[in-house]
Amino acid sequence: DAGITQSPRHKVTETGTPVTLRCHQTENHRYMYWYRQDPGHGLRLIHYSYGVKDTDKGEVSDGYSVSRSKTEDFLLTLESATSSQTSVYFCATSSGSTDTQYFGPGTRLTVL
Amino acid sequence: GNSVTQMEGPVTLSEEAFLTINCTYTATGYPSLFWYVQYPGEGLQLLLKATKADDKGSNKGFEATYRKETTSFHLEKGSVQVSDSAVYFCALRRDNTDKLIFGTGTRLQVFP
Repeated sequence: DAGITQSPRHKVTETGTPVTLRCHQTENHRYMYWYRQDPGHGLRLIHYSYGVKDTDKGEVSDGYSVSRSKTEDFLLTLESATSSQTSVYFCATSSGSTDTQYFGPGTRLTVL
Repeated sequence: GNSVTQMEGPVTLSEEAFLTINCTYTATGYPSLFWYVQYPGEGLQLLLKATKADDKGSNKGFEATYRKETTSFHLEKGSVQVSDSAVYFCALRRDNTDKLIFGTGTRLQVFP
């Protein structure tokens, strides 16, 4: 499995505060993804990256931004967290656009 | 649009029972189909995949056959174990894209 870590693993924050989640990979995979997992919805793509400084929006990108300044790190930022962003966030990576995606362990975010 | 529909859970079985988790899809073109498994507290892991009609994916005793005529990719296992207790996600990827579209997940609970 790809070496993917996410930090923090758990976070509780208040509405209106900024939050940044980090995904770090050691496999030199070109593609990285951020998903959110919610009951009744499965996983939904928030943003993805196909290379350093190359990112694009996914299905549920409103309220989120991302940055990728180096291959191994992909950051997800909630500029002003809302209760609707309470979720479990997963990072994934793949070596090619149609290759297997490998998932990190997830970050559980609670916005009060 | 493209979508994946899974049977609702939880599916509750006794050890050594036969498992079927239904998955149907809607997609244009010729998608690739996947089953991912999520063990408690972990990220998703690829369980098996099939990339064209009539292909059978298999792994760890699980099987699924890509049925284009019924747009289905049902997951089966002949004899489940307690250690198979997890959430199972069916997913598709449209041809020539890197985006995965997930079903809502089906929780499997296996009791001794």
